Amino acid sequence: QVQLVESGGGVVQPGGSLRLSCAASGFTFSSYGMHWVRQAPGKGLEWVAFIRYDGSNKYYADSVKGRFTISRDNSKNTLYLQMNSLRAEDTAVYYCAKVIYDYGDYDPVDYWGQGTLVTVSS
Amino acid sequence: DIQLTQSPSFLSASVGDRVTITCRASQGISSYLAWYQQKPGKAPKLLIYAASTLQSGVPSRFSGSGSGTEFTLTISSLQPEDFATYYCQQLNSYPHTFGGGTKVEIK
Repeated sequence: QVQLVESGGGVVQPGGSLRLSCAASGFTFSSYGMHWVRQAPGKGLEWVAFIRYDGSNKYYADSVKGRFTISRDNSKNTLYLQMNSLRAEDTAVYYCAKVIYDYGDYDPVDYWGQGTLVTVSS
Repeated sequence: DIQLTQSPSFLSASVGDRVTITCRASQGISSYLAWYQQKPGKAPKLLIYAASTLQSGVPSRFSGSGSGTEFTLTISSLQPEDFATYYCQQLNSYPHTFGGGTKVEIK
């Protein structure tokens, strides 16, 4: 069965960096686009970033562009989110999510991880 | 960027009620719209995509309709397990924005 397990969350000071990982199993990771979506405490969902199945195309929300970098290692079945210059408003649960169809860029997500909490605070 | 406006933001209903949630896009998105359900402390769950396609395993009391700029999610007969927050998401262009959410609570 499909499993997505995020890790790397924690408490970091404003201006600091953190790298999130998402370990994928139960499907052919190298054939599927992947997203990061976040949710601030008590707030709604915010789409963060997408990476194509082969890493050849990436998209970012304006709120994180230039600070966050999405990447993947298909040999390790792992998705990453490098977060730099973190701000208090980046505090959220970060979810990785798999696109429903292989090789798709404009499809919904059908599986989500359990989320990892990132807290930006001094 | 495309903005999605959901209404209402909060809805109080009883078991057995028919419930309709609306999602309006700031520009046309054809049928590139999905609906998700989220319960407290859990990851979202895909209910409907391509505006009206029911995701595998989702009960048939859920249905979606619309195209262009106006979309609806309908629950034909609300069940106890349906009390949750619902989000729409547009997939027409990046960024793949979400609506603000509709919380469905028990009356």
